[in-house]
Amino acid sequence: EVHLVESGGGLVQPGGSLRLLCSASGFTFSSYTMYWVRQGPGKGLEYVAGISGDGGSTYYADSVKGRFIISRDNSKNTLYLQMSSLRAEDTALYYCVKDDRMRATDWFFDYWGQGTLVTVSS
Amino acid sequence: VIWMTQSPSLLSASTGDSVNISCRLSQGISTYLAWYQQKPGKAPDLLIYGASTLQNGVPSRFSGSGSGTDFTLTISSLQSEDFATYYCQQYYSFPPTFGQGTRVETK
Repeated sequence: EVHLVESGGGLVQPGGSLRLLCSASGFTFSSYTMYWVRQGPGKGLEYVAGISGDGGSTYYADSVKGRFIISRDNSKNTLYLQMSSLRAEDTALYYCVKDDRMRATDWFFDYWGQGTLVTVSS
Repeated sequence: VIWMTQSPSLLSASTGDSVNISCRLSQGISTYLAWYQQKPGKAPDLLIYGASTLQNGVPSRFSGSGSGTDFTLTISSLQSEDFATYYCQQYYSFPPTFGQGTRVETK
């Protein structure tokens, strides 16, 4: 059974940094593109970033490009999101999400973690 | 960026009703559309991809149709567990984008 468990969220001041982690199990982690998708409080869903299975390709939303870095450690089955220069509008529940297709990128999402909350406030 | 408009934003219905949720896009996407269901306090669940293909384990009362710019999610006989928020998502072009959501509530 696929499990995605996020951690690392918390309260951070504007301009600060935070690193999110996602521990994956139940599938061949290195074979799948992985993503972060966020949901602001009471709001809809927003794509944040994605990374190919081998980590060689990354894909960022314009809203986070230059501020966030997605990475992965396939030996640890772990996905990361390094967030810097955080803004109030980055406040959201951050979901770790798995692509549907093995060794390819379909860009839709068949498994989601439960999310980790990031609050940017002074 | 492809913009997406879901309607209605709020749908009031009763158990047993058939309901339709619309998703319209700013440009054509063939059938590169997915639908998700989200219950309060939970992560979204994939219902449909390819505009009409049911994800494994999704009840057959859910169906999707459409291509190009107009898509519909139909729930043929609403059950109590179907009261939730539904999102469409296009994956035709980068970045993938979501509709704003349709909340299905009890009438």
